[in-house]
Amino acid sequence: AQKITQTQPGMFVQEKEAVTLDCTYDTSDPSYGLFWYKQPSSGEMIFLIYQGSYDQQNATEGRYSLNFQKARKSANLVISASQLGDSAMYFCAMSGGYNKLIFGAGTRLAVHP
Amino acid sequence: DVKVTQSSRYLVKRTGEKVFLECVQDMDHENMFWYRQDPGLGLRLIYFSYDVKMKEKGDIPEGYSVSREKKERFSLILESASTNQTSMYLCASSWDSGNTIYFGEGSWLTVV
Repeated sequence: AQKITQTQPGMFVQEKEAVTLDCTYDTSDPSYGLFWYKQPSSGEMIFLIYQGSYDQQNATEGRYSLNFQKARKSANLVISASQLGDSAMYFCAMSGGYNKLIFGAGTRLAVHP
Repeated sequence: DVKVTQSSRYLVKRTGEKVFLECVQDMDHENMFWYRQDPGLGLRLIYFSYDVKMKEKGDIPEGYSVSREKKERFSLILESASTNQTSMYLCASSWDSGNTIYFGEGSWLTVV
C-alpha cells in the first residue's frame, strides 16, 4: 500500500531564511508522482510543485524546490527566502492510478518577522 | 481559468439529516474526487469517479455515497449525517492523463 509520512507537525522559520519540510513515501509502484500543496487558512489547496518518479532532475518552481532522493524514498520541500505569506499548512502527496492522491498529515509552517 | 466549484462553503446540519455536497467542474475532466480533511490526518479519499456513472470507493467510504450522472458534476451524499462526519470536504478533478489536479475551495460541514 502507498503511504506518505510527514513527521513535522509544526515548523518555525525566520523571514528571509530557508526552510525544509520533510516527506517520506512508500510505494511498490515503479511509476508515481509526488506533489506538494499549500493550504492557507482559507482552505483552498494551492499546487506548488511536482516530481515524477522518472524525472532525473529535482523539480524547481520559483522559491520552491523538491529535494528528491529516490533511494531513500524522500521528497522534501525546500522554501528559500521565506515570506510572511508562506505561513500555511503544507501537504505532501503521492499519486496513484486515476490521479488519486494519498496525502501526508501535513506540516504547519509559521514564518516569523 | 479552470474552476472546480463546491456549492456550499459552510453548512450546519442535524444528526440524521440527508446531506448533499455538490461539486461542478468546467474542464471536461474524466476524474473527480471527494476528500475529507481532519486535523492530524491530512486528506483522505472518500470516493472517486473516472467516468459518468462510474465510481470507486476510496479509503473511507463508510457512511457516504456518491452520484455522477453528468460528467461535470460529482455529488457526495451523507444518507444520515452523524456528528463524526463533521469535517472539511474537498472536491477535486483531473484529466486522465497528465498530473494536474484541481481542487475546489472546500466545504465545512458541522453536524449537530
